[in-house]
Amino acid sequence: DVKVTQSSRYLVKRTGEKVFLECVQDMDHENMFWYRQDPGLGLRLIYFSYDVKMKEKGDIPEGYSVSREKKERFSLILESASTNQTSMYLCASSPRVEDSPLHFGNGTRLTVT
Amino acid sequence: GQNIDQPTEMTATEGAIVQINCTYQTSGFNGLFWYQQHAGEAPTFLSYNVLDGLEEKGRFSSFLSRSKGYSYLLLKELQMKDSASYLCAAMDSNYQLIWGAGTKLIIKP
Repeated sequence: DVKVTQSSRYLVKRTGEKVFLECVQDMDHENMFWYRQDPGLGLRLIYFSYDVKMKEKGDIPEGYSVSREKKERFSLILESASTNQTSMYLCASSPRVEDSPLHFGNGTRLTVT
Repeated sequence: GQNIDQPTEMTATEGAIVQINCTYQTSGFNGLFWYQQHAGEAPTFLSYNVLDGLEEKGRFSSFLSRSKGYSYLLLKELQMKDSASYLCAAMDSNYQLIWGAGTKLIIKP
């Protein structure tokens, strides 16, 4: 079974802090994604990566950056956290883009105060 | 623009059948996914349709009509554990997923 592990289940940070969200997958998947999930909205793609050291902006990249130094690890960075970044963050991976389902981590609920 | 519509919430009775509808408008189309998400947990994959018709997997079935931009998820013999949100996502011509806001399904005994 594919396992996608997010380092923290809950995080509380202060406005202006730099925040790191870590995600590791154990199935050698090429593709990794970061989404945020807010009530009443569909999942929104922040960034994705098709290969090591490669990144592409999603629909809402502003205020975020990512790092993929190793195939199994995809990190999301909030350069200067703001209250509107309070959300559930979901990491996902997949072996192919075309037709394979996403495997999600359990999510990190981030609160910025 | 691209969008997905699905009902916000549905209620059904244990043992019954429920159909969750999803309509989509995308630039090109490369398939439609359904995921289940229990409260506080990660979404998990249920089904993928790219051709018209019905795909059956045990108590769950998914239907697609590409000409109508329409899909539904059919859940039979409902159990209390089926209480969850069901997410519909369509893949566009660039293989990007467009997500619906999810349908919260409440099962009553």
